[in-house]
Amino acid sequence: DAGVTQSPTHLIKTRGQHVTLRCSPISGHKSVSWYQQVLGQGPQFIFQYYEKEERGRGNFPDRFSARQFPNYSSELNVNALLLGDSALYLCASSLWAGRDTEAFFGQGTRLTVV
Amino acid sequence: AQSVTQLGSHVSVSEGALVLLRCNYSSSVPPYLFWYVQYPNQGLQLLLKYTSAATLVKGINGFEAEFKKSETSFHLTKPSAHMSDAAEYFCAVSRPGGGNKLTFGTGTQLKVEL
Repeated sequence: DAGVTQSPTHLIKTRGQHVTLRCSPISGHKSVSWYQQVLGQGPQFIFQYYEKEERGRGNFPDRFSARQFPNYSSELNVNALLLGDSALYLCASSLWAGRDTEAFFGQGTRLTVV
Repeated sequence: AQSVTQLGSHVSVSEGALVLLRCNYSSSVPPYLFWYVQYPNQGLQLLLKYTSAATLVKGINGFEAEFKKSETSFHLTKPSAHMSDAAEYFCAVSRPGGGNKLTFGTGTQLKVEL
């Protein structure tokens, strides 16, 4: 079975540009969450979507947005990139959005902003 | 607000020795607690979770953790370290009403030496 797949695996962007990161959840999973992991720190929650509706948002600026599609895949968009946005972006999928539902993580997208 | 604190950003043990990674939580309500492992250039893998059932939780790869309410701790242990255990370990907490949104600690890098 395919796990959580994220694309691209790596990318380099220039300050001020826009980026779109993509995530395909495990088949049958209806919830997708996004996390940002800055080097040397733990992941920080950005968004959670369940059944195409936003279920939670972390403390990130409005430059960050996301959506979930009818097939439950998801996109994370970041506008006006800053150097500080350089990080590993992790997508996690779960069957649903319950508190004890296991989250399965993808390998992440390494974003470098120069 | 829920949070976790991981004591010791780096821990080094000899192969075959006891592994002890520390995690303390702060929560106004009974927490759900998790331990994840991250190998280089990979996503996170769930080791074990506490969801208010048994206080001693057994996970994969021989790891276990004990929930101690009196000490607000959820330390991760393994009786005998193996070279393949070298990785970064994250403690995380989820909050009631927050779905499976996770708040992570800053991580502990485990080094296993011959």
